Amino acid sequence: AQRVTQPEKLLSVFKGAPVELKCNYSYSGSPELFWYVQYSRQRLQLLLRHISRESIKGFTADLNKGETSFHLKKPFAQEEDSAMYYCALKRYSTLTFGKGTMLLVSP
Amino acid sequence: DAGITQSPRYKITETGRQVTLMCHQTWSHSYMFWYRQDLGHGLRLIYYSAAADITDKGEVSDGYVVSRSKTENFPLTLESATRSQTSVYFCASSGYGTSLISYEQYFGPGTRLTVT
Repeated sequence: AQRVTQPEKLLSVFKGAPVELKCNYSYSGSPELFWYVQYSRQRLQLLLRHISRESIKGFTADLNKGETSFHLKKPFAQEEDSAMYYCALKRYSTLTFGKGTMLLVSP
Repeated sequence: DAGITQSPRYKITETGRQVTLMCHQTWSHSYMFWYRQDLGHGLRLIYYSAAADITDKGEVSDGYVVSRSKTENFPLTLESATRSQTSVYFCASSGYGTSLISYEQYFGPGTRLTVT
């Protein structure tokens, strides 16, 4: 069965510091991975998908099939990045989400 | 984002009562989903639907019922609410196509349900 693991419940950094939110997955097929973000009192929204290899709001994520990881990175965190981040794995038509990591960026 | 709405936004109900959460989308997306969000569990899929009259169970479907008579609506019913069903419920929808871009799930604002 597929599984998504986000080992950190909370990640607290200072403004300007680098950020890495970890995501590991287990899946027997070819994975399709996403990062979703939920800002305070807002709905979840798509941040990144690995297939696009894009950078959104300064965030990037690279799929590493050897390490079965899809870590989210940003070189310089901003206060407005504070949010809950979910890694998700697509299987057929559905997504399996990790438990999420709360990112707190302090001034 | 206004294309997918949920009602009510907040609901308090008693144990044993039946309660229905509504979800409506205006994009004519074929897929719709219900999740519950709980601290320490993240988002867990309750039910999903590929089209009108086609539904399937997710990871945590016990105690829930869904229907989809129209493409735009996907109500979730708790037949006999229990305290363990206190949660935030999110509805989502997505299109279907040959392009992966069409797969993005769009989420509703959520319904906070408290079962006393």
